[in-house]
Amino acid sequence: QVQLRESGPGLVKPSETLSLSCAVSGGSITSSSYQWGWIRQPPGKGLEWIANIYYNGNTYVNPSLKGRVTMSLDPSRNQFSLKLTSVTAADTAVYYCGREVHGYILRPWDFWGQGMLVTVSS
Amino acid sequence: QSALTQPASVSGSLDQSLTISCTGINTDLGGHNYVAWFQQHPDKVPKLLIYDVSRRPSGISDRFSGSKSGDTASLTISGLQPEDEADYYCCSYENNFRIFGGGTRVTVL
Repeated sequence: QVQLRESGPGLVKPSETLSLSCAVSGGSITSSSYQWGWIRQPPGKGLEWIANIYYNGNTYVNPSLKGRVTMSLDPSRNQFSLKLTSVTAADTAVYYCGREVHGYILRPWDFWGQGMLVTVSS
Repeated sequence: QSALTQPASVSGSLDQSLTISCTGINTDLGGHNYVAWFQQHPDKVPKLLIYDVSRRPSGISDRFSGSKSGDTASLTISGLQPEDEADYYCCSYENNFRIFGGGTRVTVL
């Protein structure tokens, strides 16, 4: 069974960079069968897709966040990460990492981490 | 800007059926079958209910069904149960980009 777990600071100052990692167990992040990504949810609001990364490092970013988002893979730790620069209070949200199946079928976000609240405040 | 529009809330009686719509705005929802639905209970992680418009992942009840007509996708919940009270989100996942609808709160009367 695939498991994902987010980690990182729960409090980030305005204008600084939010950095989160997602540790994966039960599946390899270097498999060509999956994409890995991030979704966030501001308190009391809906879901917003942030970005996905493929095993070869190709990254796909929400156009509304383009220029602020970087994703990377760490195969040695079987984890992937997110960096979001120049954060403001509007970036306060629960951040989820997740997996998508990519192959002869495409199944989005079939496994999720438990989510991590990140608050942007001075 | 592309968007998916859902009703903010829908309610239905126990054991009745209920349908949630998801309409594409400036997105060609009618041109592909990459539509998914997620269920989220309060303070819980979202769960995939439907993908490819109408496919159910293993373990999802057949009371949940999906369909699409033109630019509008729909999720139908049959035999409404108390545990179906939750938020539901549609999602388009074409061409490596994802768009979520604003979510629909389902209330079971």
